[in-house]
Amino acid sequence: AQSVAQPEDQVNVAEGNPLTVKCTYSVSGNPYLFWYVQYPNRGLQFLLKYITGDNLVKGSYGFEAEFNKSQTSFHLKKPSALVSDSALYFCAVRGLGTNAGKSTFGDGTTLTVKP
Amino acid sequence: NAGVMQNPRHLVRRRGQEARLRCSPMKGHSHVYWYRQLPEEGLKFMVYLQKENIIDESGMPKERFSAEFPKEGPSILRIQQVVRGDSAAYFCASSPPGQRYDTQYFGPGTRLTVL
Repeated sequence: AQSVAQPEDQVNVAEGNPLTVKCTYSVSGNPYLFWYVQYPNRGLQFLLKYITGDNLVKGSYGFEAEFNKSQTSFHLKKPSALVSDSALYFCAVRGLGTNAGKSTFGDGTTLTVKP
Repeated sequence: NAGVMQNPRHLVRRRGQEARLRCSPMKGHSHVYWYRQLPEEGLKFMVYLQKENIIDESGMPKERFSAEFPKEGPSILRIQQVVRGDSAAYFCASSPPGQRYDTQYFGPGTRLTVL
């Protein structure tokens, strides 16, 4: 079975400071990892993904994520947070075989960026 | 290129009625996925469909829920005899043919309220 953990329900940062939203995963074989952002009463917007290759993945809106195989982590980062980054962030994993079609999501982390 | 379309955006039903949720995938996408988001929770996989085929329905409740993706027209998630516990946001996602690990693009969701 595949699973994702987002250990922090909430992350608070000041505008201009770096931010990190944590994600760890469990999956058989090579993982396919994704980050999505959800604004209130909206659907999920794709930010970035890791399939293979460089461990540092760059995505939309200045976000990046670092894949760490030994720690089974895929933390989302941004060097300088904006107030408009305040939203709900989801990490997701897709595996192989019978789990290939479905994404398993973490419970989400609410990011609040204060001016 | 229009994104994933879902309708209705909001649906109110009384207990015992039927709910029909529709999803039109992005142009050129032939894989459709349904997810449910309960209040204060992450997304839970329900079903994965391709045209005229159910590929993985491991997340679907055994009773009252069904899904289809006909050769023509949108994908339909049908909930018979709704109960209050069915109140949730239902999201549809689509991905292009060929790669089962491609990014899933999400629609805005249908928010179902059961009175």
